[in-house]
Amino acid sequence: DTGVSQNPRHKITKRGQNVTFRCDPISEHNRLYWYRQTLGQGPEFLTYFQNEAQLEKSRLLSDRFSAERPKGSFSTLEIQRTEQGDSAMYLCASSLGDRVGATQYFGPGTRLLVL
Amino acid sequence: SQQGEEDPQALSIQEGENATMNCSYKTSINNLQWYRQNSGRGLVHLILIRSNEREKHSGRLRVTLDTSKKSSSLLITASRAADTASYFCATDAGAAGNKLTFGGGTRVLVKP
Repeated sequence: DTGVSQNPRHKITKRGQNVTFRCDPISEHNRLYWYRQTLGQGPEFLTYFQNEAQLEKSRLLSDRFSAERPKGSFSTLEIQRTEQGDSAMYLCASSLGDRVGATQYFGPGTRLLVL
Repeated sequence: SQQGEEDPQALSIQEGENATMNCSYKTSINNLQWYRQNSGRGLVHLILIRSNEREKHSGRLRVTLDTSKKSSSLLITASRAADTASYFCATDAGAAGNKLTFGGGTRVLVKP
């Protein structure tokens, strides 16, 4: 257990439905990241927050995706109008960021299956 | 897109043997990290090596970094069945936020 928690752990939904995932980072960590991992591949960066500010979004993050970190603590990732191609593991990580780089601690992930 | 290519893609060894896997990357980096992922679970951080370091050890792990060749290797000595997992290298290119770019992973099976 890294100290980063994600809920739910699994989500099955029908195409077209909206889903929301939650990530609770390690409490003193100022940075929070979202990654997506498809079967047999490494994780791919989606977006990150420094405190409550969303500072970068990948091109992978289409308009159907939105992420928030309202008080600089937990974060939510919402996918609207889900598509089968959204099926993946969504991973959250947190770190105590600095200029040199810091270890990112990952949560257990939310596995999404879109039928 | 994935920056790193890992080699081999899969590795099967007997308990007690050493496991070596390699990672190549494309751009200059700030640091390189190795993670382990057990089937269907989150990633566990193993070790971080900075761009000005050439070798690092942690328990049964040894990591090397050759920035001139843009490559790294991870050696697991005296492997155990519990080492069965996928291993990923991830590079931090020093961009704002220190986002990580992962390779495709090496799937290691340690047979008892």
